[in-house]
Amino acid sequence: GESVGLHLPTLSVQEGDNSIINCAYSNSASDYFIWYKQESGKGPQFIIDIRSNMDKRQGQRVTVLLNKTVKHLSLQIAATQPGDSAVYFCAEIMNSGGYQKVTFGTGTKLQVIP
Amino acid sequence: EPEVTQTPSHQVTQMGQEVILRCVPISNHLYFYWYRQILGQKVEFLVSFYNNEISEKSEIFDDQFSVERPDGSNFTLKIRSTKLEDSAMYFCASGRSIQNTIYFGEGSWLTVV
Repeated sequence: GESVGLHLPTLSVQEGDNSIINCAYSNSASDYFIWYKQESGKGPQFIIDIRSNMDKRQGQRVTVLLNKTVKHLSLQIAATQPGDSAVYFCAEIMNSGGYQKVTFGTGTKLQVIP
Repeated sequence: EPEVTQTPSHQVTQMGQEVILRCVPISNHLYFYWYRQILGQKVEFLVSFYNNEISEKSEIFDDQFSVERPDGSNFTLKIRSTKLEDSAMYFCASGRSIQNTIYFGEGSWLTVV
């Protein structure tokens, strides 16, 4: 079946370094993708999204890259800070039958070492 | 910044009891969702709601679950007879349109004992 998954379950980075979190997806019909950040005991927090017709999108300290050829999505965080420590989910969104179907990946835990 | 709010933040209930989880979506949003996350697992879709009716529901959303929008602001999830396996964090989410990002609340942590 269609699925969204993550390559690395845990990523440790030094404060100040750049982080790259990866995600593989299998549904080429997805309309767009979102990266969410989830801190312990809290809800998913929207970080950035990218439409399926785009290759790259930049936000504040974050960049999302979409490679449709290999069905790969990545989140780059520049100058990683301790407050970036959280679980990051990629989510695949398809507009289906009048609603948005959001399929989450399993998540990557980012640990920032001070 | 507008946000989705949920109550209660944490509820402990005995198996077999009814539970109602409440959500106030962002005011100009029209699409509403419930998701759940069992501890240590990924977020799972439960149900979507638009125009006062269910648009889609997952296999998790069985006859024990129901949703309602009793007034213009609240969106509720009811579990009629809770089971131990219903213990999870339940997230409400809302979106302005089918083309826009959906935003999540902070969640309601349900513990069934």
